[in-house]
Amino acid sequence: DSGVTQTPKHLITATGQRVTLRCSPRSGDLSVYWYQQSLDQGLQFLIQYYNGEERAKGNILERFSAQQFPDLHSELNLSSLELGDSALYFCASSPGLAGGAWGDTQYFGPGTRLTVL
Amino acid sequence: AQSVTQLDSQVPVFEEAPVELRCNYSSSVSVYLFWYVQYPNQGLQLLLKYLSGSTLVKGINGFEAEFNKSQTSFHLRKPSVHISDTAEYFCAVSEGPGGYQKVTFGIGTKLQVIP
Repeated sequence: DSGVTQTPKHLITATGQRVTLRCSPRSGDLSVYWYQQSLDQGLQFLIQYYNGEERAKGNILERFSAQQFPDLHSELNLSSLELGDSALYFCASSPGLAGGAWGDTQYFGPGTRLTVL
Repeated sequence: AQSVTQLDSQVPVFEEAPVELRCNYSSSVSVYLFWYVQYPNQGLQLLLKYLSGSTLVKGINGFEAEFNKSQTSFHLRKPSVHISDTAEYFCAVSEGPGGYQKVTFGIGTKLQVIP
Protein backbone atom coordinates (compact mmCIF):
# COMPACT_ATOMS: atom_id res chain seq x y z
CA ASP A 1 0.00 0.00 0.00
CA SER A 2 1.60 3.23 -1.23
CA GLY A 3 -0.55 5.48 0.95
CA VAL A 4 -2.04 7.19 -2.10
CA THR A 5 -5.77 6.70 -2.52
CA GLN A 6 -7.83 7.17 -5.65
CA THR A 7 -11.58 7.14 -6.10
CA PRO A 8 -13.48 5.72 -7.77
CA LYS A 9 -11.75 2.47 -8.78
CA HIS A 10 -13.90 2.06 -11.85
CA LEU A 11 -15.96 4.51 -13.84
CA ILE A 12 -18.17 3.77 -16.81
CA THR A 13 -19.72 6.65 -18.68
CA ALA A 14 -20.89 7.73 -22.11
CA THR A 15 -19.31 9.90 -24.76
CA GLY A 16 -19.80 13.60 -24.22
CA GLN A 17 -20.06 13.29 -20.46
CA ARG A 18 -17.89 14.81 -17.75
CA VAL A 19 -16.25 12.96 -14.86
CA THR A 20 -14.11 13.83 -11.87
CA LEU A 21 -11.36 11.61 -10.52
CA ARG A 22 -10.12 12.16 -7.00
CA CYS A 23 -6.72 11.58 -5.43
CA SER A 24 -5.50 11.83 -1.85
CA PRO A 25 -1.70 11.94 -1.59
CA ARG A 26 0.44 10.32 1.06
CA SER A 27 0.47 12.16 4.34
CA GLY A 28 3.00 14.99 4.12
CA ASP A 29 3.50 14.86 0.35
CA LEU A 30 3.12 18.21 -1.34
CA SER A 31 3.39 17.18 -5.00
CA VAL A 32 0.69 15.38 -6.94
CA TYR A 33 1.02 14.03 -10.45
CA TRP A 34 -1.56 12.67 -12.87
CA TYR A 35 -0.85 10.06 -15.53
CA GLN A 36 -2.89 8.33 -18.22
CA GLN A 37 -2.04 4.73 -19.10
CA SER A 38 -3.43 3.19 -22.26
CA LEU A 39 -2.44 0.20 -24.34
CA ASP A 40 -1.51 2.24 -27.40
CA GLN A 41 0.27 5.18 -25.76
CA GLY A 42 1.72 3.70 -22.59
CA LEU A 43 2.12 5.86 -19.49
CA GLN A 44 1.69 9.53 -20.29
CA PHE A 45 2.40 12.32 -17.82
CA LEU A 46 -0.51 14.76 -17.70
CA ILE A 47 0.14 17.37 -15.06
CA GLN A 48 1.88 18.09 -11.74
CA TYR A 49 0.83 20.25 -8.81
CA TYR A 50 2.94 21.36 -5.90
CA ASN A 51 1.29 22.73 -2.79
CA GLY A 52 -1.72 23.93 -4.72
CA GLU A 53 0.07 25.39 -7.72
CA GLU A 54 0.50 23.92 -11.18
CA ARG A 55 4.17 23.06 -11.69
CA ALA A 56 4.53 21.10 -14.90
CA LYS A 57 2.34 20.14 -17.81
CA GLY A 58 2.61 17.18 -20.06
CA ASN A 59 0.33 15.78 -22.72
CA ILE A 60 -2.88 17.03 -21.16
CA LEU A 61 -5.76 17.78 -23.49
CA GLU A 62 -7.65 21.05 -23.24
CA ARG A 63 -10.77 19.05 -22.32
CA PHE A 64 -8.96 17.92 -19.18
CA SER A 65 -8.22 20.05 -16.15
CA ALA A 66 -6.94 19.47 -12.66
CA GLN A 67 -6.53 21.25 -9.38
CA GLN A 68 -4.98 20.69 -5.99
CA PHE A 69 -6.92 21.89 -2.98
CA PRO A 70 -5.64 23.43 0.30
CA ASP A 71 -5.86 20.04 2.00
CA LEU A 72 -3.58 18.77 -0.83
CA HIS A 73 -6.01 16.35 -2.38
CA SER A 74 -6.34 16.68 -6.12
CA GLU A 75 -9.05 16.23 -8.71
CA LEU A 76 -8.75 15.53 -12.41
CA ASN A 77 -11.73 16.67 -14.46
CA LEU A 78 -12.34 15.10 -17.86
CA SER A 79 -15.03 16.63 -20.05
CA SER A 80 -16.59 16.02 -23.47
CA LEU A 81 -15.39 12.46 -23.14
CA GLU A 82 -14.46 10.47 -26.21
CA LEU A 83 -13.99 6.74 -26.71
CA GLY A 84 -10.24 7.29 -26.86
CA ASP A 85 -10.22 8.65 -23.31
CA SER A 86 -10.83 5.15 -21.99
CA ALA A 87 -7.72 4.37 -19.95
CA LEU A 88 -6.28 3.83 -16.52
CA TYR A 89 -5.65 7.12 -14.75
CA PHE A 90 -3.00 7.14 -12.05
CA CYS A 91 -2.29 9.68 -9.41
CA ALA A 92 1.11 9.78 -7.74
CA SER A 93 2.52 11.89 -4.94
CA SER A 94 5.97 12.82 -3.74
CA PRO A 95 7.40 14.86 -0.91
CA GLY A 96 8.22 17.70 -3.30
CA LEU A 97 11.25 18.65 -1.28
CA ALA A 98 12.60 22.13 -1.92
CA GLY A 99 9.71 23.00 -4.19
CA GLY A 100 9.75 19.89 -6.33
CA ALA A 101 12.97 17.95 -6.28
CA TRP A 102 13.87 16.25 -9.53
CA GLY A 103 14.96 13.11 -7.75
CA ASP A 104 11.76 12.56 -5.79
CA THR A 105 10.38 9.06 -5.69
CA GLN A 106 6.78 9.07 -6.83
CA TYR A 107 4.29 6.92 -4.94
CA PHE A 108 1.47 5.71 -7.16
CA GLY A 109 -2.13 5.08 -6.28
CA PRO A 110 -4.02 2.00 -7.54
CA GLY A 111 -5.58 3.94 -10.40
CA THR A 112 -9.05 4.69 -11.72
CA ARG A 113 -10.15 2.69 -14.73
CA LEU A 114 -12.30 4.86 -16.99
CA THR A 115 -14.42 3.25 -19.66
CA VAL A 116 -16.19 5.52 -22.14
CA LEU A 117 -18.97 3.83 -24.09
CA ALA B 1 13.30 17.26 -25.00
CA GLN B 2 13.95 14.08 -23.12
CA SER B 3 12.96 10.62 -24.23
CA VAL B 4 13.24 7.05 -23.04
CA THR B 5 13.52 3.93 -25.18
CA GLN B 6 12.87 0.49 -23.81
CA LEU B 7 14.14 -1.78 -26.50
CA ASP B 8 12.16 -4.90 -25.62
CA SER B 9 8.40 -4.89 -25.23
CA GLN B 10 8.38 -8.45 -23.85
CA VAL B 11 11.08 -10.58 -22.27
CA PRO B 12 10.41 -14.24 -21.48
CA VAL B 13 12.92 -15.88 -19.15
CA PHE B 14 13.05 -19.13 -17.25
CA GLU B 15 12.89 -19.11 -13.47
CA GLU B 16 16.31 -18.78 -11.80
CA ALA B 17 17.88 -17.49 -15.01
CA PRO B 18 19.45 -14.00 -15.20
CA VAL B 19 17.66 -11.16 -16.94
CA GLU B 20 18.54 -7.76 -18.35
CA LEU B 21 15.92 -5.19 -19.32
CA ARG B 22 17.33 -2.50 -21.55
CA CYS B 23 16.73 1.24 -21.32
CA ASN B 24 18.26 4.09 -23.27
CA TYR B 25 17.50 7.75 -22.82
CA SER B 26 18.19 11.02 -24.51
CA SER B 27 18.42 14.38 -22.83
CA SER B 28 20.24 17.65 -23.31
CA VAL B 29 20.84 18.11 -19.59
CA SER B 30 21.76 16.04 -16.57
CA VAL B 31 19.17 13.48 -15.66
CA TYR B 32 17.88 11.35 -12.88
CA LEU B 33 16.91 7.81 -13.85
CA PHE B 34 14.35 5.46 -12.38
CA TRP B 35 13.01 1.95 -12.75
CA TYR B 36 9.45 1.29 -11.64
CA VAL B 37 7.58 -2.01 -11.56
CA GLN B 38 3.87 -2.56 -12.11
CA TYR B 39 2.37 -5.81 -10.91
CA PRO B 40 -0.95 -6.88 -12.45
CA ASN B 41 -3.85 -4.63 -11.44
CA GLN B 42 -1.66 -2.40 -9.32
CA GLY B 43 -0.02 1.00 -9.50
CA LEU B 44 3.68 1.53 -10.13
CA GLN B 45 6.27 1.01 -7.42
CA LEU B 46 9.85 2.28 -7.39
CA LEU B 47 12.51 -0.40 -7.82
CA LEU B 48 15.56 1.86 -7.80
CA LYS B 49 16.82 5.25 -8.89
CA TYR B 50 20.05 6.94 -9.90
CA LEU B 51 20.59 10.49 -8.72
CA SER B 52 24.37 10.80 -8.48
CA GLY B 53 27.44 8.99 -7.18
CA SER B 54 28.07 5.32 -7.85
CA THR B 55 26.84 4.29 -11.26
CA LEU B 56 25.78 0.88 -9.95
CA VAL B 57 22.50 1.21 -8.13
CA LYS B 58 20.95 -1.53 -6.05
CA GLY B 59 17.21 -1.69 -5.55
CA ILE B 60 14.55 -3.82 -3.98
CA ASN B 61 13.88 -7.49 -4.72
CA GLY B 62 17.48 -8.14 -5.82
CA PHE B 63 17.43 -5.83 -8.83
CA GLU B 64 20.27 -3.54 -9.80
CA ALA B 65 20.96 -1.11 -12.63
CA GLU B 66 24.02 0.56 -14.06
CA PHE B 67 24.11 4.12 -15.31
CA ASN B 68 26.31 4.48 -18.38
CA LYS B 69 26.59 8.11 -19.36
CA SER B 70 28.60 7.54 -22.53
CA GLN B 71 26.06 5.06 -23.84
CA THR B 72 23.10 6.93 -22.32
CA SER B 73 21.82 3.68 -20.88
CA PHE B 74 20.35 2.49 -17.61
CA HIS B 75 19.83 -1.26 -17.97
CA LEU B 76 18.12 -3.25 -15.23
CA ARG B 77 19.50 -6.62 -14.17
CA LYS B 78 18.73 -9.47 -11.83
CA PRO B 79 21.00 -12.52 -11.52
CA SER B 80 18.20 -15.00 -10.79
CA VAL B 81 14.51 -14.28 -11.39
CA HIS B 82 11.52 -15.69 -9.55
CA ILE B 83 7.97 -16.29 -10.66
CA SER B 84 6.95 -13.33 -8.52
CA ASP B 85 9.03 -11.01 -10.73
CA THR B 86 6.49 -11.40 -13.52
CA ALA B 87 5.36 -7.81 -14.07
CA GLU B 88 5.78 -4.81 -16.32
CA TYR B 89 8.89 -2.69 -15.82
CA PHE B 90 9.14 0.98 -16.70
CA CYS B 91 12.28 3.03 -17.14
CA ALA B 92 11.88 6.75 -16.52
CA VAL B 93 13.97 9.90 -16.80
CA SER B 94 13.51 13.13 -14.93
CA GLU B 95 14.82 16.55 -15.80
CA GLY B 96 13.57 20.09 -15.85
CA PRO B 97 14.22 23.63 -14.75
CA GLY B 98 14.95 24.11 -11.10
CA GLY B 99 12.09 23.14 -8.87
CA TYR B 100 10.12 21.21 -11.45
CA GLN B 101 9.97 17.49 -11.96
CA LYS B 102 8.78 16.38 -15.34
CA VAL B 103 9.15 12.65 -15.74
CA THR B 104 9.12 10.75 -19.01
CA PHE B 105 8.35 7.05 -18.87
CA GLY B 106 9.31 4.40 -21.38
CA ILE B 107 6.71 2.23 -23.04
CA GLY B 108 7.38 -0.59 -20.58
CA THR B 109 8.85 -4.10 -20.79
CA LYS B 110 6.75 -7.08 -19.79
CA LEU B 111 8.84 -9.65 -17.99
CA GLN B 112 7.38 -13.13 -18.10
CA VAL B 113 9.07 -15.65 -15.86
CA ILE B 114 8.53 -19.20 -17.03
CA PRO B 115 8.49 -21.98 -14.41
